[in-house]
Formats: sequence, structure tokens, C-alpha cells
Amino acid sequence: AQRVTQPEKLLSVFKGAPVELKCNYSYSGSPELFWYVQYSRQRLQLLLRHISRESIKGFTADLNKGETSFHLKKPFAQEEDSAMYYCALSGGAGNNRKLIWGLGTSLAVNP
Amino acid sequence: NAGVMQNPRHLVRRRGQEARLRCSPMKGHSHVYWYRQLPEEGLKFMVYLQKENIIDESGMPKERFSAEFPKEGPSILRIQQVVRGDSAAYFCASSPGNGANYGYTFGSGTRLTVV
Repeated sequence: AQRVTQPEKLLSVFKGAPVELKCNYSYSGSPELFWYVQYSRQRLQLLLRHISRESIKGFTADLNKGETSFHLKKPFAQEEDSAMYYCALSGGAGNNRKLIWGLGTSLAVNP
Repeated sequence: NAGVMQNPRHLVRRRGQEARLRCSPMKGHSHVYWYRQLPEEGLKFMVYLQKENIIDESGMPKERFSAEFPKEGPSILRIQQVVRGDSAAYFCASSPGNGANYGYTFGSGTRLTVV
């Protein structure tokens, strides 16, 4: 079965501390993985996709097929990083890009 | 470009009434996805549509729910005879649908409350 697991519902860190939001997946095939972020009172927006291997707002995420993980990391958290973070997996075929979502992790960065 | 527009933002319906949720995709986007987020749950895929076609409705409840994306106008998610369990946030996303590994653009959602 296709599934995305985010084990932490809430993660609280201090400003300047490293942060890692965990994401594990279950998928038979080559997965396409994404991180989406939702800041307070804003819409969901794409943060990262594994295929791009990019760093956005200091965040990176590496796909580890052996551990079936796609953890989101940032070396020094900022207060403006406080938001809801969702890991998602693309489970459709062809042009069908329907996503399977984790339950999300609420990140709180304290001053 | 106004982005993906969903309306209404909030919708209150009594049990048994109909709910109509609208989604106008971004300009140039011809693919629309609907997701539902029940309280304390993650987003769940409902339906994927292209203009005038339902491509994947594997996440739609078998009864009372329907979706369309006409040639002209917004995509509509329609829920007939609403029940309390339909109370949720409904999100729409659109994409250009060119098959690349893109992430799509979300609307702000419609929060449906059934009383």
C-alpha cells in the first residue's frame, strides 16, 4: 500500500537550532516526493521536490531509498520557519499527479 | 495571475442540503485536483479532472459526491444531501499537466460546516 508517515505531530525547537522533520514512505516503484508548507493563514505551497535536489529557504531533503525516507532538514531554524509541513508522494500514473499525504508536522521555532 | 481561486471560503449547510464548491484554476492550467481534509486528518485525494473529463475519481465517495470541470467556467465539487461527516476543508489544486515532475498550485480551500 502507498503511504506517507510523518511520526511527529509537533516539533518545537529554539531559533538557531538544527531541525529535522521526518518523513517515511511506502511505495512500490520509483517515488516522487515533495514537501509542502503552510504558513499561518496562507495556502499550501510547494517547498521542495526531490527531483530538483534544490535548497529552498535553507531547507534540504534527500531521498533515501534504502530507508524509504525523505526527511526535511535545516541547519539553523528561524522563527519565520514556524508552520505546518506536509510530506507528500506522487502516486499516479502518466500525467496523473495525485498526491498521498502525511498527517503533517507543526514546527514551532521559539525565540 | 490570481492563482487558484476557491469559493466560497466558508460554507455552512444544514443536513440534507446541497453544497457546491467552486475552483477556478490558474490561467493556463487545464488539470484540477480536489482534496479533502477531515478534522485531525491529512489531506486525502478525491478526484482528478481535465477539461470535460474525469480522469481519476478513485477517492470520491460512491454516493452523493460528484465533480465536473466544464469547457468554460470553474470546476465544481458537488455534495448532495450533506451529512455532519462531510464537514471538512476542501482544497483544489491546478497544474499545467505536462507530465513533468512539478508541484501544483493550491487554492485557499473551502471550509464546509454541516449543522
